[in-house]
Formats: sequence, C-alpha cells, structure tokens
Amino acid sequence: AQTVTQSQPEMSVQEAETVTLSCTYDTSENNYYLFWYKQPPSRQMILVIRQEAYKQQNATENRFSVNFQKAAKSFSLKISDSQLGDTAMYFCAFYNAGNMLTFGGGTRLMVKP
Amino acid sequence: SAVISQKPSRDICQRGTSLTIQCQVDSQVTMMFWYRQQPGQSLTLIATANQGSEATYESGFVIDKFPISRPNLTFSTLTVSNMSPEDSSIYLCSVAPQGFYGYTFGSGTRLTVV
Repeated sequence: AQTVTQSQPEMSVQEAETVTLSCTYDTSENNYYLFWYKQPPSRQMILVIRQEAYKQQNATENRFSVNFQKAAKSFSLKISDSQLGDTAMYFCAFYNAGNMLTFGGGTRLMVKP
Repeated sequence: SAVISQKPSRDICQRGTSLTIQCQVDSQVTMMFWYRQQPGQSLTLIATANQGSEATYESGFVIDKFPISRPNLTFSTLTVSNMSPEDSSIYLCSVAPQGFYGYTFGSGTRLTVV
C-alpha cells in the first residue's frame, strides 16, 4: 500500500516571501501521479498542481512549483510571492492506476501580513 | 474539469438520526468517491460508488452505517445512519473525470452531531 507523509504539521511565511512544503511517499509502482491540494476554511478541496511520474520536468502553475525527486520519493511544493489567500491546509496526494487517491496528513500554512 | 454540487453544506443533527448527503456531477463519471475528514485530520476514503453495483467500502466502514446509492452516472448519495457525536466530520464526494487530470471534489458537508 502507498503511504504519503507530510512532516510539517504547521508552517508560516511572511506575505511576498517564498515557502516550501515537504512531502515524501512510499510506493513500489513506477507509473503514478502526485498532487498538491489546497483546502481553505471554506472546506473546498482545490487542485493546485499535479506531476506525472514519467515526466522529469517539474510542474509549475504560476506561483506554484514542485521539486519532484523520483528516486528519493520526494515531492515538495514551493509557493513564491506568498499571498494572504494562500492561507490554507495543503495536502499532498498520490494516485496510481488502482484508482485510489492517498492523502498525506496535511500542512497548515499561515501567511502573515 | 467536472463541477460537483454537494448538499447540504452543513447540518446539525440529533444523535440517533440519519442524514443523507447528495452529490450531483455536471458530466457522466464511472466512479464516485466518498471521503470523511475528521476535525483537524486528513481525508479518509469511505467507499467507492459505481453505477449499477454495490459500493465498495474501505476497512472500518460498513454499509449499514454508511449506505450509498448510485442511481445513474451523475448522481450519488451517502447516508450517515444512527449518528453519534463521533460522526461529526466533513464529508466530501469526489470524481475523477475522463481525460484524467486530477480528482475534483464537492464543496463538502460539515456535519455536527449533538
């Protein structure tokens, strides 16, 4: 079974600064997807970024980028130019062809003005 | 990506009663997923609902407690039965639309049992 670990329960960052959230996972699969989801207080789960394991290039979406290290089974999220609206819970998630989405425990991010 | 309408958004219920949560998707999907998120915790998969067959439940979840219906490819309900305060959680439905990009989630139902 796959496991996803987020070692930082809480983090804070000053507005306009950069922050990196960590995620590691364990799998014996070679083909899979990794995701970062954002959950603001509204409860809505919002897909921030995804990475396909067969792609070596790190995914980017505007201010959000990942550092995908397949051999190390690491998938960190970098948020640049942090904004107050980035305050939320962030979940790392793993998916494979078994159609199971496995979540990490989450990191609570607070962006301070 | 698909758009999911989930309701109710929140409810406060008496212990011993049941609540049915609905999810409507704007496109046809093969599988729908139901998750529970206990306070301050991550998401835990309750069950996978396929149209025309019994839902598949994860370890720790049983059909008598969480009956699921899936009458067509765009709709599903989850009932939380004989509720106790321990059932107070956020419940979310999710789908993985065709042309897989990622899972889409409903807006969640915050359930409080008193």
